[in-house]
Amino acid sequence: KQEVTQIPAALSVPEGENLVLNCSFTDSAIYNLQWFRQDPGKGLTSLLLIQSSQREQTSGRLNASLDKSSGRSTLYIAASQPGDSATYLCAVWDTGGFKTIFGAGTRLFVKA
Amino acid sequence: EAGVAQSPRYKIIEKRQSVAFWCNPISGHATLYWYQQILGQGPKLLIQFQNNGVVDDSQLPKDRFSAERLKGVDSTLKIQPAKLEDSAVYLCASSLDLSAGELFFGEGSRLTVL
Repeated sequence: KQEVTQIPAALSVPEGENLVLNCSFTDSAIYNLQWFRQDPGKGLTSLLLIQSSQREQTSGRLNASLDKSSGRSTLYIAASQPGDSATYLCAVWDTGGFKTIFGAGTRLFVKA
Repeated sequence: EAGVAQSPRYKIIEKRQSVAFWCNPISGHATLYWYQQILGQGPKLLIQFQNNGVVDDSQLPKDRFSAERLKGVDSTLKIQPAKLEDSAVYLCASSLDLSAGELFFGEGSRLTVL
């Protein structure tokens, strides 16, 4: 059974710092991995989608990497800003169950 | 391009009452999902439709939850009777098709059961 874990559960950093959020999954049989952002009381906004054949994706200050063999993905945020404060979730499309499994998220707070 | 629409945004009911949530996916998206998100947790898939057929409803509490997507476009999720533990945000998402495409979410419907 696929399980997705995100560490740390919460993170507080000063503005301008570069940071890394971690996502691990137990079964490497995935089609893709997607990173989302969720603001309080809001739905999920897609940030990056990495297909299983890809190693990384970049969008602006965000870079996501995928190492399927080790069951890990990282989301790198460069030069963090207070507006980046939100919960970041990763989700894997699991080929076994043919559905998307989510981690519990990392709550990020960027201090001005 | 319009996003995934959901209503109502908020609903407060007493336990044992019923409630219904509506979702209209992005135009042309064949696959529609309903997720339940309890505070502090990641979303949990309740049911997944491909057009008007159910692909996966293994985690849907079928004694009280039901969902339909009759014409393969919009969908309704119903809870009857509601329990205290059903308090959560109900998220609707859609994707172009089942081939592991990108998920797009609506704003969610927050349910409080008293």
